[in-house]
Amino acid sequence: AQSVAQPEDQVNVAEGNPLTVKCTYSVSGNPYLFWYVQYPNRGLQFLLKYITGDNLVKGSYGFEAEFNKSQTSFHLKKPSALVSDSALYFCAVRDILGYFTGNTPLVFGKGTRLSVIA
Amino acid sequence: DVKVTQSSRYLVKRTGEKVFLECVQDMDHENMFWYRQDPGLGLRLIYFSYDVKMKEKGDIPEGYSVSREKKERFSLILESASTNQTSMYLCASSLSGQSEAFFGQGTRLTVV
Repeated sequence: AQSVAQPEDQVNVAEGNPLTVKCTYSVSGNPYLFWYVQYPNRGLQFLLKYITGDNLVKGSYGFEAEFNKSQTSFHLKKPSALVSDSALYFCAVRDILGYFTGNTPLVFGKGTRLSVIA
Repeated sequence: DVKVTQSSRYLVKRTGEKVFLECVQDMDHENMFWYRQDPGLGLRLIYFSYDVKMKEKGDIPEGYSVSREKKERFSLILESASTNQTSMYLCASSLSGQSEAFFGQGTRLTVV
């Protein structure tokens, strides 16, 4: 079965500093990986995805993520945090093996609350 | 832009009522999903559908059913609402396995 772990419930970072939000995954085959952001009382917004190709993926609002197959990780990063980045961040995975042999949905982690302090 | 519309932002229902949550997407997506979001538990999948009239159980289907009679519409039904179904419900759709999912604004359901 596929699963996602976000080991930190909360990440605090000073404005202007680099930020990292961690994600590890478990799948039977190969993964499709996604990051989403949620602002208060809103639905989830897509940030970026890894399907294949370069391990470093660039997305919206200056965010990027690095796929590391050996460590089964897909950490979200940003070189310089903004106060407006404060939100809830979700990592999600879909198992490619499952996609071809059946239909599998996105499985989400529990979320990491990012707080950027001015 | 893809639009996923959930019929209500806020709902208050009584215990034992039958509750319908409606979701409509406008981009001809094959896949549609219903999740519930609770603090500390993240998003948990209730049901998903990969085609009209097709449905698959997710991780927490008990107490729920779904209907997909048309491609653009995916309804979540609480057969007999209970207080432990008080939650934020999120609908999503995606074109394919490689595609990102697009989410509605969510319905905050309170069962009293």
